[in-house]
Amino acid sequence: GQNIDQPTEMTATEGAIVQINCTYQTSGFNGLFWYQQHAGEAPTFLSYNVLDGLEEKGRFSSFLSRSKGYSYLLLKELQMKDSASYLCAVRDEDYKLSFGAGTTVTVRA
Amino acid sequence: ETGVTQTPRHLVMGMTNKKSLKCEQHLGHNAMYWYKQSAKKPLELMFVYNFKEQTENNSVPSRFSPECPNSSHLFLHLHTLQPEDSALYLCASSQEAGAGYNEQFFGPGTRLTVL
Repeated sequence: GQNIDQPTEMTATEGAIVQINCTYQTSGFNGLFWYQQHAGEAPTFLSYNVLDGLEEKGRFSSFLSRSKGYSYLLLKELQMKDSASYLCAVRDEDYKLSFGAGTTVTVRA
Repeated sequence: ETGVTQTPRHLVMGMTNKKSLKCEQHLGHNAMYWYKQSAKKPLELMFVYNFKEQTENNSVPSRFSPECPNSSHLFLHLHTLQPEDSALYLCASSQEAGAGYNEQFFGPGTRLTVL
């Protein structure tokens, strides 16, 4: 099966920066997704990386290194509403999407 | 609002009951998915439908029975479930399953409790 690892929990202060790492071992690679999921709500798409490098979208950026099987999601200028679970998901050679267990980020005032 | 709706949002059922979960997408997508999300565990893909045809059954027990009457609707029929089946069941849709960039849009989920 696929193996996707990310930290269980992270805590940061409002206005700070947090980096959520994701490492993966999958059979082939066809893209990596980051989703945000607030408690009791649907996961919502944040970013997609298929080539190495950094993708920036406002306060959120995602980085990918395919050779290292590694990605991170960078959240800048943290706001209270950023408190949520962040899911890393990797698409394999059969285009099946496998998810990590998610990282719960708590933003404190 | 993601364009994917699920009903009911919460469901409590006994092990001998039969119930169904419903998912509807208003995005014009051709692929629909069922996932199971248990506490502290990764989302587990259960079923995939692409253009109304089931293309993936991820070794799901037969007490879970999916139905996809058209590209906009997906059902999950439940019968004789076990307490360990208690979880959040998420529906998702995408333009199509398989090749290419295909962001999945998720519904809010049905929180299922089996007593």
